Amino acid sequence: EAGVTQFPSHSVIEKGQTVTLRCDPISGHDNLYWYRRVMGKEIKFLLHFVKESKQDESGMPNNRFLAERTGGTYSTLKVQPAELEDSGVYFCASSQGGLRVAQYFGPGTRLTVL
Amino acid sequence: RKEVEQDPGPFNVPEGATVAFNCTYSNSASQSFFWYRQDCRKEPKLLMSVYSSGNEDGRFTAQLNRASQYISLLIRDSKLSDSATYLCVVNMANQGGKLIFGQGTELSVKP
Repeated sequence: EAGVTQFPSHSVIEKGQTVTLRCDPISGHDNLYWYRRVMGKEIKFLLHFVKESKQDESGMPNNRFLAERTGGTYSTLKVQPAELEDSGVYFCASSQGGLRVAQYFGPGTRLTVL
Repeated sequence: RKEVEQDPGPFNVPEGATVAFNCTYSNSASQSFFWYRQDCRKEPKLLMSVYSSGNEDGRFTAQLNRASQYISLLIRDSKLSDSATYLCVVNMANQGGKLIFGQGTELSVKP
């Protein structure tokens, strides 16, 4: 069974540009989460989808971040316009079968904003 | 105060050593608990879930004490391949299942 995949693996952009990250969860997983790790800090929650619906976006830093999950399958996270402090590793995770179960992570997208 | 706190590390141990990681969490509403392992520049990978009764998986033993809000991981007979960062993670199922991570404890096992 394929795991969570993310694209791109790396992205280097300049301040003010737009970047879109993509996550494909494990097939059949209704829950999809985005997390971020900035340098020197712990991994932090950004938002949660159940199928195509946003359940919790309390971790989104500000309105420059927009997440979507078209048709309840893959998800995108767009940053527009990017700022220096957005640099970090963005992880996607998915799960199925309830909210207490373990989540499975993708390899992450390393975003560098210059 | 961080919601999940771990030993700061790093831990440097010889092969064959037993090593213990400690973790405390502040939110008593936390509902499930995990240890994840993260290799350098890789994603977190589930090592094991943690149950109140304690659970073991080969050389790894995890314990949970809900009263004191404390979680532990014991690695016996450590191998070179155990070198990684170990993440203590709590699940806020009453908040949609979001995970709260500790900052991680780095383990380096030397020959």
